[in-house]
Amino acid sequence: KAGVTQTPRYLIKTRGQQVTLSCSPISGHRSVSWYQQTPGQGLQFLFEYFSETQRNKGNFPGRFSGRQFSNSRSEMNVSTLELGDSALYLCASSWRQGNNEQFFGPGTRLTVL
Amino acid sequence: GQQVMQIPQYQHVQEGEDFTTYCNSSTTLSNIQWYKQRPGGHPVFLIQLVKSGEVKKQKRLTFQFGEAKKNSSLHITATQTTDVGTYFCAGPSNTGKLIFGQGTTLQVKP
Repeated sequence: KAGVTQTPRYLIKTRGQQVTLSCSPISGHRSVSWYQQTPGQGLQFLFEYFSETQRNKGNFPGRFSGRQFSNSRSEMNVSTLELGDSALYLCASSWRQGNNEQFFGPGTRLTVL
Repeated sequence: GQQVMQIPQYQHVQEGEDFTTYCNSSTTLSNIQWYKQRPGGHPVFLIQLVKSGEVKKQKRLTFQFGEAKKNSSLHITATQTTDVGTYFCAGPSNTGKLIFGQGTTLQVKP
């Protein structure tokens, strides 16, 4: 079974720009969660999507948004990038909604200059 | 807000020594999960504990869930260089999202 894939793997943007990251979950998994990982803050939950609906949201500003498509693929968008948004963005899939075993993708390393 | 704390933050051991990381939650958890992240990699699920006082073993790794379901530990016996990485515990919040501890980074000297 193929694992979780994320594209792109690396991204460099400048302040004020926006970015869209993509995640394809493991086949059959309907839940996709997004996390931000930084050395200072660790792994922070952004949001979870299940059956195309956002089911849970972390404490991030509205600049962070996401969506899920009917094939369970998910995208997250960050608008008006700030330097502090530089991080590893991890997507994780699970076969059902909620706090179950998470299968993580390799992540997208975003650098904001 | 609900917090999950891990100690220590870093641990350096000689190969062959034992290692333990501790996880404490500010609230009672329905379950606790453990993940390992190798340097440059992504978190990989290790195990989930659900029952009060539960103990599970995976080869040299022993996981415990406290009686009050507010703390957990991971113990590695006779560490090897392949054990290097950051170990995270994670527990569900009352809203269902997963809250991760800050992680314990293990370095093993050969």
